[in-house]
Amino acid sequence: DAGITQSPRHKVTETGTPVTLRCHQTENHRYMYWYRQDPGHGLRLIHYSYGVKDTDKGEVSDGYSVSRSKTEDFLLTLESATSSQTSVYFCAISVLAVTSETQYFGPGTRLLVL
Amino acid sequence: QKEVEQNSGPLSVPEGAIASLNCTYSDRGSQSFFWYRQYSGKSPELIMFIYSNGDKEDGRFTAQLNKASQYVSLLIRDSQPSDSATYLCAVTRGLMDSNYQLIWGAGTKLIIKP
Repeated sequence: DAGITQSPRHKVTETGTPVTLRCHQTENHRYMYWYRQDPGHGLRLIHYSYGVKDTDKGEVSDGYSVSRSKTEDFLLTLESATSSQTSVYFCAISVLAVTSETQYFGPGTRLLVL
Repeated sequence: QKEVEQNSGPLSVPEGAIASLNCTYSDRGSQSFFWYRQYSGKSPELIMFIYSNGDKEDGRFTAQLNKASQYVSLLIRDSQPSDSATYLCAVTRGLMDSNYQLIWGAGTKLIIKP
């Protein structure tokens, strides 16, 4: 499972409340990612990080912020949750495998915004 | 036009037959190509990746890449009911220093019928 954990695994919240999701890895990989997955859209990149305090936006970053103060932890924050942010959120790390960086995923967090 | 396209399915294949999953991509600069399997309610797991034109075999799985046609496929021989899942195709972005980002297809749902 590449040593990736996500917390919480399930969360129900109300519109307008802040929500923070945590991704933790045990192997000191440099690159970490946050995706959301919705029916019909596949995986869409929200933000990614290439080191401590080094982050960049993905294709669906509006309404999300991230922080990485330690190599092992990558936090995703929904500043004011909306119903459109109901989704399954996956964290991933990138591992060099032979000649290509390969992504491995955490177990996911199911978020329901009411 | 989506950057990575897959037929959403479902693709129904009899047990023991060959399942053929296809993926086309738009960025000619993409270097590496990945197939992931995702069971319902679970996170994506890597099956295999390919970066050279031709075939790459791993057990019952064969990935085929044709960069000229911008086409990658996954063949599953001797299909088993346990192969029933959604198969995601992903390709690296064709920009310098962007091999750490993947572009994802929406996935093909495969059903193996006993």
